[in-house]
Amino acid sequence: ETGVTQSPTHLIKTRGQQVTLRCSSQSGHNTVSWYQQALGQGPQFIFQYYREEENGRGNFPPRFSGLQFPNYSSELNVNALELDDSALYLCASSLWTGAYGYTFGSGTRLTVV
Amino acid sequence: KQEVTQIPAALSVPEGENLVLNCSFTDSAIYNLQWFRQDPGKGLTSLLLIQSSQREQTSGRLNASLDKSSGRSTLYIAASQPGDSATYLCAGPGDAGNMLTFGGGTRLMVKP
Repeated sequence: ETGVTQSPTHLIKTRGQQVTLRCSSQSGHNTVSWYQQALGQGPQFIFQYYREEENGRGNFPPRFSGLQFPNYSSELNVNALELDDSALYLCASSLWTGAYGYTFGSGTRLTVV
Repeated sequence: KQEVTQIPAALSVPEGENLVLNCSFTDSAIYNLQWFRQDPGKGLTSLLLIQSSQREQTSGRLNASLDKSSGRSTLYIAASQPGDSATYLCAGPGDAGNMLTFGGGTRLMVKP
């Protein structure tokens, strides 16, 4: 079975720009969640997608948005980038309830300058 | 609101030692808890998943326990090796949908 793949691995953007990060879920998983991890901290939940709809959102502003596609892959979009958006962005896939755990990708390192 | 805390934040031990990493959570209604390993700048690798009906899970030199009544989980690493050096994160179900709430992690250094 294939794991979770994220692209790109690294990205440098300028403040005010927009960015799109991509994630392919593990085979057999139908739910994708996105997390932001600042240096030295635990990951923080951004939002989750199930059946192509947002299902749960953490404490992040509306300029963080996402999509899920029929093949369960997902995108995270961030508009009007701020310096504080610099972080490792992690994608996790799971079955709907999470009862069988979550599989994470290798992450995308975003640097905003 | 689910809150997860990990103690200690950092730990340095000589090779060969047995060690225990601690994780505490506030919502005892969790249905499972997951331990992850993270190497610097990398993603999360799942180590162990403990269901609420279980008390322990073992994988090789790793053993994780879950005590819902006390709101605690421990990760026991036997005969530590330099290759075990990494950050270890625990996570349980949170409040918004089927999401995970993470602790801050324990940064482990095993010295040769």
